[in-house]
Amino acid sequence: AQTVTQSQPEMSVQEAETVTLSCTYDTSESNYYLFWYKQPPSRQMILVIRQEAYKQQNATENRFSVNFQKAAKSFSLKISDSQLGDTAMYFCSYEPGSGNTGKLIFGQGTTLQVKP
Amino acid sequence: DTAVSQTPKYLVTQMGNDKSIKCEQNLGHDTMYWYKQDSKKFLKIMFSYNNKELIINETVPNRFSPKSPDKAHLNLHINSLELGDSAVYFCASSHGARRGGPNEQFFGPGTRLTVL
Repeated sequence: AQTVTQSQPEMSVQEAETVTLSCTYDTSESNYYLFWYKQPPSRQMILVIRQEAYKQQNATENRFSVNFQKAAKSFSLKISDSQLGDTAMYFCSYEPGSGNTGKLIFGQGTTLQVKP
Repeated sequence: DTAVSQTPKYLVTQMGNDKSIKCEQNLGHDTMYWYKQDSKKFLKIMFSYNNKELIINETVPNRFSPKSPDKAHLNLHINSLELGDSAVYFCASSHGARRGGPNEQFFGPGTRLTVL
């Protein structure tokens, strides 16, 4: 069974600095998709970034980028120039490439506090 | 303008009652989901429907029954509510789990259910 692990329950960063959130996963599949979702205090789940496993290039969305290491089964999220609005819980998630159910498997989440 | 809406946003009820949570999406998506987020913020999928067909049915007590009258709506009915059912329930939708490719899911605002 696939699993997703986020080993950092809580992290903090000063405004304008860079922070990296870790995520590892376990799977026997070769094709799959990875996502980072953000859940601010408002509770709304928001997609931050996604990565297809068959793509070697790391995904980037403005200040957010990932370091995807397929062999190591690692998918970390880097937030550059942190802003107060980045304060949220971040969830790493995995979607199997087979089965076509769209099922997302989530990690335990990392609470990020951006300090002024 | 709301993409995925849920009603109600808050639900407080007594143990043993039966309650329903409604979800609607106006994105034209084919697939809808129900997730449960527990008190430790762990997110787990419960059900998924693709074009009114049940495609994911995780290990969930049979007191929980999803119903999809059409592909824009997915409701969750819970019978004989128990204290352990207290959680935040999220509805989500995506373009179509069976189309292949990364399946970006759009989440509703969540329904906080409190069972007393």
